[in-house]
Amino acid sequence: AQSVTQLDSHVSVSEGTPVLLRCNYSSSYSPSLFWYVQHPNKGLQLLLKYTSAATLVKGINGFEAEFKKSETSFHLTKPSAHMSDAAEYFCVVSDPAGFQKLVFGTGTRLLVSP
Amino acid sequence: DAGVIQSPRHEVTEMGQEVTLRCKPISGHDYLFWYRQTMMRGLELLIYFNNNVPIDDSGMPEDRFSAKMPNASFSTLKIQPSEPRDSAVYFCASSFRGGADYEQYFGPGTRLTVT
Repeated sequence: AQSVTQLDSHVSVSEGTPVLLRCNYSSSYSPSLFWYVQHPNKGLQLLLKYTSAATLVKGINGFEAEFKKSETSFHLTKPSAHMSDAAEYFCVVSDPAGFQKLVFGTGTRLLVSP
Repeated sequence: DAGVIQSPRHEVTEMGQEVTLRCKPISGHDYLFWYRQTMMRGLELLIYFNNNVPIDDSGMPEDRFSAKMPNASFSTLKIQPSEPRDSAVYFCASSFRGGADYEQYFGPGTRLTVT
């Protein structure tokens, strides 16, 4: 079965400093991987996705993630945090048995201080 | 397009009552998904439809839960009877096609509290 592990439940950064949210995946197939963001009391929004094309994926709002097969990782980064980045971030893998089925990580809450 | 629309946004009900959650997908999307989010279990897929037909309901927790999609623009998730452990945020999502290349668009969710 496919799964993702988000290594930190909370990450705190100061505005203007880099962001790193860590995600490791487990998959017996070549996976499709995603990062979704959830702002308070809102639905989820797709940040970026990896579907076996370029290993460095650029998303919205300056975020990017690198697929590293040797490390089974798909970490999310941003060079400079903004206050509006404060939210919950989910690493997600799609189930190859049914690509429509997404398996979500437990989430990482990003806190950004002034 | 207004995006995925869910109603109500908040629902408070007493144990044993029937609860109906509603979803209007984005026009033209032929996949619809129902998810549940809790602190204990995170985000779980309950059921999804393709062209109004239920494809996989293996995530539905028990017979008290049922979902229907009578037409391409409307779906319901019903809990009867409701229990306190059903308290959660329920999300509806839709996508244009299946497969990883097609983004799932999420609604704002319905926060259900069963007392």
